[in-house]
Amino acid sequence: AQSVAQPEDQVNVAEGNPLTVKCTYSVSGNPYLFWYVQYPNRGLQFLLKYITGDNLVKGSYGFEAEFNKSQTSFHLKKPSALVSDSALYFCAVRYFSGGYNKLIFGAGTRLAVHP
Amino acid sequence: DVKVTQSSRYLVKRTGEKVFLECVQDMDHENMFWYRQDPGLGLRLIYFSYDVKMKEKGDIPEGYSVSREKKERFSLILESASTNQTSMYLCASSREGPRHEQYFGPGTRLTVT
Repeated sequence: AQSVAQPEDQVNVAEGNPLTVKCTYSVSGNPYLFWYVQYPNRGLQFLLKYITGDNLVKGSYGFEAEFNKSQTSFHLKKPSALVSDSALYFCAVRYFSGGYNKLIFGAGTRLAVHP
Repeated sequence: DVKVTQSSRYLVKRTGEKVFLECVQDMDHENMFWYRQDPGLGLRLIYFSYDVKMKEKGDIPEGYSVSREKKERFSLILESASTNQTSMYLCASSREGPRHEQYFGPGTRLTVT
């Protein structure tokens, strides 16, 4: 069965420190992977995606993510966290079902960046 | 920039009422989606549409229906609202094909009392 796991409900980081938000997935075939961010009382905003090619993907707001096929992971990273990065982050994977492509989302990880 | 708008940010309805949630996108996207978001569960797909007048059930369609009469508009209908449908509802749209990201509206927080 297709699934996405975000093992941490919350990640706490001090401003200026590097951050990592973890994501692992299980899907048949080649995965298409996405990260989204949700600020309070807002919809989801697209951050970055992995389709093919270079395993390190760069996205919006200085975020990047590393695709690791052997570990079936797609962790989100940023070298230096900002307080304004505090938000809810969702990992998602595209899968093929019933003749259609769908997205399955992880449960989300709340990132708290402290001054 | 892609813009996806939803008709209401907050909505309070009574049990048994018929509820309409409207979504409009302005980028001529073929695909449109309705999700509900609940704490600890992430986003779950209710219905989606790949073309005008076309609809497909997602993972949790029970108690919901949809309508897509025009390409830019996708409506979610709760035939008889129940308290377990209290949730955040998110609409999204995307270009055709699996490589394209989805663009989300701001969400409608629905409370059924």
